[in-house]
Amino acid sequence: DQQVKQNSPSLSVQEGRISILNCDYTNSMFDYFLWYKKYPAEGPTFLISISSIKDKNEDGRFTVFLNKSAKHLSLHIVPSQPGDSAVYFCAASESGGTSYGKLTFGQGTILTVHP
Amino acid sequence: EAQVTQNPRYLITVTGKKLTVTCSQNMNHEYMSWYRQDPGLGLRQIYYSMNVEVTDKGDVPEGYKVSRKEKRNFPLILESPSPNQTSLYFCASSLGSGSSYEQYFGPGTRLTVT
Repeated sequence: DQQVKQNSPSLSVQEGRISILNCDYTNSMFDYFLWYKKYPAEGPTFLISISSIKDKNEDGRFTVFLNKSAKHLSLHIVPSQPGDSAVYFCAASESGGTSYGKLTFGQGTILTVHP
Repeated sequence: EAQVTQNPRYLITVTGKKLTVTCSQNMNHEYMSWYRQDPGLGLRQIYYSMNVEVTDKGDVPEGYKVSRKEKRNFPLILESPSPNQTSLYFCASSLGSGSSYEQYFGPGTRLTVT
């Protein structure tokens, strides 16, 4: 069962506009959420994270929103730039239990930003 | 430069021929793990290691082995590879095992088993 889901396989946006990537999760034990960005032929790189005690975290052009009641998070990129074109993975983890740092990933969303 | 390295980057092999994918990190990280990435499934954890000589199974450990004899190295061993292990493999490391520790990923190893 896919505990973290990214239902949009791809997203196309014009340069300068907002990109919104969505992610849903089913495991209520998840309490830490991350976004990773991946370029072709490279490994994923950490982008931004949010703890379940917050509902928003900002870092420059990137903002992550968390709606715990809906088990939904989103990544907003404003303004979008062509260099943002990549695959974006949502990931979640449990801080307690025996998860030991395991990240549960979504399927990924391919973002294309057109000049 | 702080990095996670994997070798080989690309490998084509035949069913049943044992292989090892190496992973090394130069950041003195305690936690290391292996993931595989498959279309429509994202990345799934295979094995992880909390420290030297401490390893445990992730979500999809069948058909894989690991060892952690040194802090910097965490090789992934496929004793008898099968076609369903054709995938893109990533090694990752982090300073600790807590959720807030950023995981650094290697560049990936694309494995094809025929």
